Parts: sequence; structure tokens; C-alpha cells
Amino acid sequence: ETGVTQTPRHLVMGMTNKKSLKCEQHLGHNAMYWYKQSAKKPLELMFVYNFKEQTENNSVPSRFSPECPNSSHLFLHLHTLQPEDSALYLCASSQAESWGRETQYFGPGTRLLVL
Amino acid sequence: GQNIDQPTEMTATEGAIVQINCTYQTSGFNGLFWYQQHAGEAPTFLSYNVLDGLEEKGRFSSFLSRSKGYSYLLLKELQMKDSASYLCAVLDSNYQLIWGAGTKLIIKP
Repeated sequence: ETGVTQTPRHLVMGMTNKKSLKCEQHLGHNAMYWYKQSAKKPLELMFVYNFKEQTENNSVPSRFSPECPNSSHLFLHLHTLQPEDSALYLCASSQAESWGRETQYFGPGTRLLVL
Repeated sequence: GQNIDQPTEMTATEGAIVQINCTYQTSGFNGLFWYQQHAGEAPTFLSYNVLDGLEEKGRFSSFLSRSKGYSYLLLKELQMKDSASYLCAVLDSNYQLIWGAGTKLIIKP
């Protein structure tokens, strides 16, 4: 496997279900991100991890819970979601540099549908 | 507030040239990125501009004017595989990426 991988690619869940999204990066990067992408809207940054420490949490509802056990893996745990949470969830990674300019590399995303 | 504007959708003909514009108003500026995203796939990095001027990479070029808060992505010799969404993103003073909503480019034969 190369680059950034995400599983599952598609997920349908009810509002009472609990599920987890998984992301793995094979690039040796030290920063990982979760984004939400809805149709015709800008990418919304949800969470950022630098060196496994969460550094950003952009007012995301508590029904989304991230976990970063090591610098290569990132999870997004989902519970009691709402239909408006249906979207494409993208994971990205980058090599955080001291000067801040870093290119983010994205996984293919998980298409989530909440019924 | 911070804002990135780009057209929602554009149509062009195979073999032609198309220019996708992006204007931005952000708190500070540390560079501008262009990404390409095919339907159902990951966004992929195309270019990064931090200084004024034109950067050329094969059929794709990206231009930046910091004084005007303006960038464009120029695609030459369009091919059907260039049909995709093109995302503009600006790195602000806090090194946060601010994203535009993307421009869907449709290429017709």
C-alpha cells in the first residue's frame, strides 16, 4: 500500500449505530487530519494531530471522536449521528515543518450516509 | 471573516485552454495551493505559489498576485481526463488552510 488509505470506502449507518472510520498513511508523515466534504461546500477541517497529539478541534460535535494511536494511523469514531452528517470524510497527512508550509496528501475518503 | 471565492462550474472544449480564478480574503498569507479532485477520489496536489508570478508545470500553470488577493490555474491542451473539481486553498497567518468550495470543470469533446 502506498500513500494514504481509508476504510471503509462507503458506509451506511442508522442514527443509533456506532461505527469507526480508519485512515493509514504510508508516507512517514507526522501530522494527520480529518476533513468533512459536503457537496458544493469548502472542505471543513475537523481534527488535526501533530506527533500524535491533537492540536485542532474545530468545534466538532462530540458524536465525532478521533483517535490517533500512532503517527501512521487515525480513527474517527462515530455514534448517534444525524442525517446532516452524511458527507465524504477525508483523511490527510503531511510532514509538519517549522515554517508551516506543508503539502497535505489525501486519502480517497469514506462516503457516509446516515439514515 | 476569511473567504475564498472560485466559480462553481466551468465548461471547456477538449484541446482548448481554460483559466480557473480564485480570489481570497484571509488573515495573513503564507501561500496558495491548487488541488485536483476527480469524482469519488482523493484531492491531489497540483501547485503551490507563495511569490507573485507564474509557475508552470507541463500543461498546468498557476499564477499569483498577492496585492490583488488573486490566483488562477491555467490548463492548456485540455484532455477529457481533466474533467474534475479544482480546489483553491490559502495558508493563513496561523498556517491554517482555508479552502474554497471548488470549481467543477466539465470538458466536452
